[in-house]
Amino acid sequence: QQQVKQSPQSLIVQKGGISIINCAYENTAFDYFPWYQQFPGKGPALLIAIRPDVSEKKEGRFTISFNKSAKQFSLHIMDSQPGDSATYFCAARGDYKLSFGAGTTVTVRA
Amino acid sequence: SAVISQKPSRDICQRGTSLTIQCQVDSQVTMMFWYRQQPGQSLTLIATANQGSEATYESGFVIDKFPISRPNLTFSTLTVSNMSPEDSSIYLCSVWVQETQYFGPGTRLLVL
Repeated sequence: QQQVKQSPQSLIVQKGGISIINCAYENTAFDYFPWYQQFPGKGPALLIAIRPDVSEKKEGRFTISFNKSAKQFSLHIMDSQPGDSATYFCAARGDYKLSFGAGTTVTVRA
Repeated sequence: SAVISQKPSRDICQRGTSLTIQCQVDSQVTMMFWYRQQPGQSLTLIATANQGSEATYESGFVIDKFPISRPNLTFSTLTVSNMSPEDSSIYLCSVWVQETQYFGPGTRLLVL
């Protein structure tokens, strides 16, 4: 039973475009929502994270939008670059354990 | 931040054998975690390893198959026992440091 549902499975975006990845959760006890970026052959690296008392967080070209009432959160990658081509995982923390979404493979075309 | 190293980085093993994966962290941490990432899949938590206590396993994972040691605050091992091809995965060590969970580079295991 997957506690965090992520979509889409993959997406292709042109350089300079916006990539949007969506996640939904059910467990209201989750208290921390990170996004990880993973390149082939590497471990996941923290990209950006948000707490449920904040509706939006922006770091550079990456923005998390959080809707507590809908139990949804999303990652927006602005001005997408070829170097952003990677797999992105959303996650949610409960009791210091992370539950991960299925992942989204993003391909940025030059 | 935390820098995590794992050994080996990759291995090819025969079914029925066992492999021990080492995880070293550059700072003392209370909680360490072991994850499995099957090919093309997401990350699944195997167990939580706290120093001085028995590891806590998630549903579907058992100590006989995945014994874990945590001898001190910077080191842990995960053994994959009696391996089968279904154990072919990336195994990742992870720690929490200052509200951030860091991951090691992973150990890529192929079981023939």
